[in-house]
Amino acid sequence: AQSVTQLDSQVPVFEEAPVELRCNYSSSVSVYLFWYVQYPNQGLQLLLKYLSGSTLVKGINGFEAEFNKSQTSFHLRKPSVHISDTAEYFCAVRGNFNKFYFGSGTKLNVKP
Amino acid sequence: DADVTQTPRNRITKTGKRIMLECSQTKGHDRMYWYRQDPGLGLRLIYYSFDVKDINKGEISDGYSVSRQAQAKFSLSLESAIPNQTALYFCATSERTGLHLHFGNGTRLTVT
Repeated sequence: AQSVTQLDSQVPVFEEAPVELRCNYSSSVSVYLFWYVQYPNQGLQLLLKYLSGSTLVKGINGFEAEFNKSQTSFHLRKPSVHISDTAEYFCAVRGNFNKFYFGSGTKLNVKP
Repeated sequence: DADVTQTPRNRITKTGKRIMLECSQTKGHDRMYWYRQDPGLGLRLIYYSFDVKDINKGEISDGYSVSRQAQAKFSLSLESAIPNQTALYFCATSERTGLHLHFGNGTRLTVT
């Protein structure tokens, strides 16, 4: 079975500060991991994905994530956030039959 | 991303009414999905279709039905709407490799 746990429902942070959004997963199949971002009144957009290879994955808008197999984690990081990064972020795992399982989301609130 | 179009964007309906949400795509993808988003619960899979003749139930299919009218069109129906079906509904597509999902902008449904 596959599942995704996002440990923080909300993360407040000041502009230009670093941020980490946490994600843990369980999967009984090959691990394909994703981070999506949802801006207000929009659908979800892909930030980055881990399919294989290097455990450090770089995505759009300066975000990166690190796959840690021993800790079953895929945390998202950005060294310096902007007001425009305020959004909801979803971690997802692709399981059997190309079905995607999503976490409950983390709302990132960047304050000036 | 106008490649995946959902209509309507917003809908208010009464308990017991039948309602259809529509999704069309110009990406040429074989696979289409319907998800439901509720605050604090993330996205949950309702139905998915790998081609016109292949339709499968997801985690929460009770109370819903779907129709894949063509490769580009995938509709979600609520046969008799109830208030706890009030949610944000997303259609998504993926290529046959299923390496990530492309989302529409969502339909906000309110059942009174």
